[in-house]
Amino acid sequence: ETGVTQTPRHLVMGMTNKKSLKCEQHLGHNAMYWYKQSAKKPLELMFVYNFKEQTENNSVPSRFSPECPNSSHLFLHLHTLQPEDSALYLCASSPGLEETQYFGPGTRLLVL
Amino acid sequence: DQQVKQNSPSLSVQEGRISILNCDYTNSMFDYFLWYKKYPAEGPTFLISISSIKDKNEDGRFTVFLNKSAKHLSLHIVPSQPGDSAVYFCAASVITGNQFYFGTGTSLTVIP
Repeated sequence: ETGVTQTPRHLVMGMTNKKSLKCEQHLGHNAMYWYKQSAKKPLELMFVYNFKEQTENNSVPSRFSPECPNSSHLFLHLHTLQPEDSALYLCASSPGLEETQYFGPGTRLLVL
Repeated sequence: DQQVKQNSPSLSVQEGRISILNCDYTNSMFDYFLWYKKYPAEGPTFLISISSIKDKNEDGRFTVFLNKSAKHLSLHIVPSQPGDSAVYFCAASVITGNQFYFGTGTSLTVIP
């Protein structure tokens, strides 16, 4: 596998479920990001990790919980989500914080 | 408040003609700009970038122009090809910052 991969590609969950999104980058990058893409809205940055340390939390509700065990893996743990959280969740990585980001294919999430 | 705006949600162009995608920004501190291209069911792919010390950057069929006084950038694709049909996002950042700010995207359709 090359580049940035995300699993699952599609997820349907109820409001009481707990699920996790996984991102893995094979590029040797040090920074990783979670973005949310809702219809007709700009990409919204959610979290930034640099060398496994969280450097940015963009006022994201606590029902989204990120985890970065190492520079290659990033998780987004989801619990008690709301229907308005339905969106495309994109992971990205970059060599360093100020550098071009490379995106994964995204996870399409539907909350019922 | 949206700091990066793409006011045209869609654009249709005949194959072989020029496609011009526009982007405006409000933050005069932005000094690094990128264009991403996104196909359905895929993550955004980096296309071309420009820093504020330049007013033009060219890569094959793609040229980005930056007008700092107008806080405006544009992406020119010439000649346009059907494979260029995608959603194009512009993004901006302060080069020393953590965050890229994305526009809402312009959907380009190149008609054969």
